[in-house]
Amino acid sequence: GIQVEQSPPDLILQEGANSTLRCNFSDSVNNLQWFHQNPWGQLINLFYIPSGTKQNGRLSATTVATERYSLLYISSSQTTDSGVYFCAVNGGATNKLIFGTGTLLAVQP
Amino acid sequence: DGGITQSPKYLFRKEGQNVTLSCEQNLNHDAMYWYRQDPGQGLRLIYYSQIVNDFQKGDIAEGYSVSREKKESFPLTVTSAQKNPTAFYLCASKHGARNTEAFFGQGTRLTVV
Repeated sequence: GIQVEQSPPDLILQEGANSTLRCNFSDSVNNLQWFHQNPWGQLINLFYIPSGTKQNGRLSATTVATERYSLLYISSSQTTDSGVYFCAVNGGATNKLIFGTGTLLAVQP
Repeated sequence: DGGITQSPKYLFRKEGQNVTLSCEQNLNHDAMYWYRQDPGQGLRLIYYSQIVNDFQKGDIAEGYSVSREKKESFPLTVTSAQKNPTAFYLCASKHGARNTEAFFGQGTRLTVV
């Protein structure tokens, strides 16, 4: 099955800093999503981005499907950005949604 | 409001008892999923269903069972055969096509004592 790896595993930032999170996947995909898991465990949809670039406020994402990676950019980080960021993909003939290992982000004031 | 509802939010059970977690959606989604998350870990797929009366095992199905009798509902039973059932359980749904966006419920924290 598809393998999904995220980097870095942990990231500590000062408020106002920018960051880039990476998601690598081992095969072609039909679907790629980025999620933010808040401290209460809820998964918040950030982007649905199987290819191309999207922006939403201070966040943007780019997926290069041919090279099997996606990037999530966080600019001018705020303490409320803290939490775990996951990418998830769905590929091949099945409709299984497979999650990456996650990046734990801590933004310090 | 449209969405995915998991209940209860917190659940406590004694070891050896079966317990059923509820997941209901009113988004008219065909596909539904159950994931398990352990502290500090990622999400692992337990079962998924692409259509009513059909479901497939995920990566960690042992000790769990599901049913999909209605499009809106995908309950998960944690059986006594599950060796380490204490975890956070998340349910998701999406339209049936592979290239569609998935949405999650708020999760159920199960503690077995």
